[in-house]
Amino acid sequence: QQQVKQSPQSLIVQKGGISIINCAYENTAFDYFPWYQQFPGKGPALLIAIRPDVSEKKEGRFTISFNKSAKQFSLHIMDSQPGDSATYFCAARRLMDTGRRALTFGSGTRLQVQP
Amino acid sequence: NAGVTQTPKFRVLKTGQSMTLLCAQDMNHEYMYWYRQDPGMGLRLIHYSVGEGTTAKGEVPDGYNVSRLKKQNFLLGLESAAPSQTSVYFCASTVQGPNEKLFFGSGTQLSVL
Repeated sequence: QQQVKQSPQSLIVQKGGISIINCAYENTAFDYFPWYQQFPGKGPALLIAIRPDVSEKKEGRFTISFNKSAKQFSLHIMDSQPGDSATYFCAARRLMDTGRRALTFGSGTRLQVQP
Repeated sequence: NAGVTQTPKFRVLKTGQSMTLLCAQDMNHEYMYWYRQDPGMGLRLIHYSVGEGTTAKGEVPDGYNVSRLKKQNFLLGLESAAPSQTSVYFCASTVQGPNEKLFFGSGTQLSVL
């Protein structure tokens, strides 16, 4: 059961363009929404994150937009560069049966930025 | 600072064989996780641990066992490997808080023939 749905599966953008990746969720108990970036042969690394009481967070060229009522959030990469070519995962943190929290990840988006 | 180290990096098993994947972290993190990554399915949580001597099941625990005898180590075992367990396995650790950050290892690519 996919609790966090991510789209598109792959994305090709020209250098300097805007990359947009979308995620949707159903569980309103999620309390934290990070995005992870993964380069080939490496583990994912935290890129940027947002809490549900904030509608937007910006760090450099990366922005998360969060729509709590629609249960959607998206990653925007401005002025996309070839070095941004990677796989991006959205995630949401939920409460497990043990009372502890863990991340549920989306299916990933493979971004290719063409020079 | 090594961060999170996984061994081995690659492994090929025959159906029915067993093996153990080792994860070690040097950041004194309480929380450790094992995820598997499959094409089109993202990262799925197998098991996790909230401290030394504790483990708990994640989303896809069947066919796997784990142990956390020491705070810095988290072991993932496959008792009788199946082709469906062919995947890339990632270990991660963190200090859980309002704005937590997972630190991932570089992964273990496992093929079960």
